[in-house]
Amino acid sequence: EADIYQTPRYLVIGTGKKITLECSQTMGHDKMYWYQQDPGMELHLIHYSYGVNSTEKGDLSSESTVSRIRTEHFPLTLESARPSHTSQYLCASRRGANEKLFFGSGTQLSVL
Amino acid sequence: AQSVTQLGSHVSVSEGALVLLRCNYSSSVPPYLFWYVQYPNQGLQLLLKYTSAATLVKGINGFEAEFKKSETSFHLTKPSAHMSDAAEYFCAVSDGFGNEKLTFGTGTRLTIIP
Repeated sequence: EADIYQTPRYLVIGTGKKITLECSQTMGHDKMYWYQQDPGMELHLIHYSYGVNSTEKGDLSSESTVSRIRTEHFPLTLESARPSHTSQYLCASRRGANEKLFFGSGTQLSVL
Repeated sequence: AQSVTQLGSHVSVSEGALVLLRCNYSSSVPPYLFWYVQYPNQGLQLLLKYTSAATLVKGINGFEAEFKKSETSFHLTKPSAHMSDAAEYFCAVSDGFGNEKLTFGTGTRLTIIP
């Protein structure tokens, strides 16, 4: 059902590397979100976007940045990865505030 | 600022018993409220949502929730638990009126006792 895609599915990298987690959706949704979730734990909102050229920080302080140059694309970048960034990153989108969220399959990031 | 509080990080009920998962919200404007479920090793699925229409909302798999403004609550219930209901349940809130931020609660792990 969901037309929202995240790549890579798994990523193992060394400390200090720059990485970009990709997220794309083909549903034409204006609202997009990045959440961080450790297995079986709560979801922390780290970034969201109202639409093209709009980005907002979420509730969880994060060293990552996002961009929204196109409606369908909402990449998340870590300039210098650290072991504390090890987690699962979930991208999501929806049409409006009263609509359900569609989730991608997630990127499991491990920083050594 | 909007937030949700889920009371009880772990809830255990016997198969066939009533399920009650608690969620209280804080919002400066009338909220939109959601319950999501996450089965082991799966993504999140929407169970039900409240968007200012009927205060009693019915969702999938026999779950329902009632919006009570006076109590700022949106508790999730199911009359008779099934083994397949074992999962993590998340309450979430959006402020209405153009605020697109969606904040999740800390989650409640539901265990069903045979």
